[in-house]
Amino acid sequence: AQSVTQLDSHVSVSEGTPVLLRCNYSSSYSPSLFWYVQHPNKGLQLLLKYTSAATLVKGINGFEAEFKKSETSFHLTKPSAHMSDAAEYFCVVRYSGGYQKVTFGTGTKLQVIP
Amino acid sequence: NAGVTQTPKFRVLKTGQSMTLLCAQDMNHEYMYWYRQDPGMGLRLIHYSVGEGTTAKGEVPDGYNVSRLKKQNFLLGLESAAPSQTSVYFCASSPSGTSYEQYFGPGTRLTVT
Repeated sequence: AQSVTQLDSHVSVSEGTPVLLRCNYSSSYSPSLFWYVQHPNKGLQLLLKYTSAATLVKGINGFEAEFKKSETSFHLTKPSAHMSDAAEYFCVVRYSGGYQKVTFGTGTKLQVIP
Repeated sequence: NAGVTQTPKFRVLKTGQSMTLLCAQDMNHEYMYWYRQDPGMGLRLIHYSVGEGTTAKGEVPDGYNVSRLKKQNFLLGLESAAPSQTSVYFCASSPSGTSYEQYFGPGTRLTVT
């Protein structure tokens, strides 16, 4: 079965400290992987994506993620959290074959403490 | 270039009423999707379309119907609204190809009383 697991529903960090949001996927095929951010009462915005090129992907607002095939993980990181990073983050997988099924994780809410 | 737009932004319905949500995209994307978002459940796919004139069921299709008569538009209909359909609805579009991301509309907040 194809699935995406976001290991933490809530993460709380202090401003200026590192951020780690975890995502694991299951797949029999090589997927494309995405991270989206959703600020309160807003739509979803793409942060970054992995599409089988470099395994370390840099995105907007200082975020990056590393694709680790051996661990089936695609964790999102940022060296130093800002207050504006408080939002909900979704890990998304898109698979080859069929209609190119897209599967969303259940989301991680990031709280940034001043 | 407006991207993906959704109409309306907010709506309140009484149980049993019907309505149609409109999604429009101006990026010439082949694929279009309707999702609903409920607290703690991420986004769940209702219906999707891989091209003009085609539609298919997603994960939670019951109680909804869709149509894609024009490539740029994807309509979501509720024939007889129920309180369980209270949710935020997002439309998205994407090019064909697994490396492409989805582009999302701003959402429609629907309340069924």
